[in-house]
Amino acid sequence: GESVGLHLPTLSVQEGDNSIINCAYSNSASDYFIWYKQESGKGPQFIIDIRSNMDKRQGQRVTVLLNKTVKHLSLQIAATQPGDSAVYFCAENIFRNQFYFGTGTSLTVIP
Amino acid sequence: ETGVTQTPRHLVMGMTNKKSLKCEQHLGHNAMYWYKQSAKKPLELMFVYSLEERVENNSVPSRFSPECPNSSHLFLHLHTLQPEDSALYLCASSQEFGPYEQFFGPGTRLTVL
Repeated sequence: GESVGLHLPTLSVQEGDNSIINCAYSNSASDYFIWYKQESGKGPQFIIDIRSNMDKRQGQRVTVLLNKTVKHLSLQIAATQPGDSAVYFCAENIFRNQFYFGTGTSLTVIP
Repeated sequence: ETGVTQTPRHLVMGMTNKKSLKCEQHLGHNAMYWYKQSAKKPLELMFVYSLEERVENNSVPSRFSPECPNSSHLFLHLHTLQPEDSALYLCASSQEFGPYEQFFGPGTRLTVL
């Protein structure tokens, strides 16, 4: 499944499938991006980050892709598990070293 | 656990009450942040402290008053709040102020009656 930016706030995927969550960012000068995961009742948890001099970065089961031309960021989760169910949001580092956070996409993994 | 703790986890207060939120980080970081998270809205940065000096104040009403006595502790003093201030208040810390990963605490769920 795939969600697009902030306009589709929910995403449901079957356990074992790959998930793709997208984020459109606002500032072409942003040079650092983070994906966070927030489970119910918890604070946001760092997943992976990427700087603007890279197009792709991989972690454990997660990959972040950055397309600076269209100001687009995506998070790919391989072999999605029930424990991946959470809200995912991207953050871009903007002027004055502040982060702008998206509203997030709610991922539900169906067993 | 992220190394950032917040107390209390839940708080209910009347509009005339005075209360304080506490945040402590055990990571040796030099920057600490207060954010407000309301339902279906992005995280809103409220205050930033770097080496115990306030470096950002994002037009936050004076009924919210931050205090950073040292680099490990951050408080948010609350006074005469409004019902629309009900939200999840998150504390975070980072190695330095700037484009660095921020580590978040679990938040304080605040309800203003």
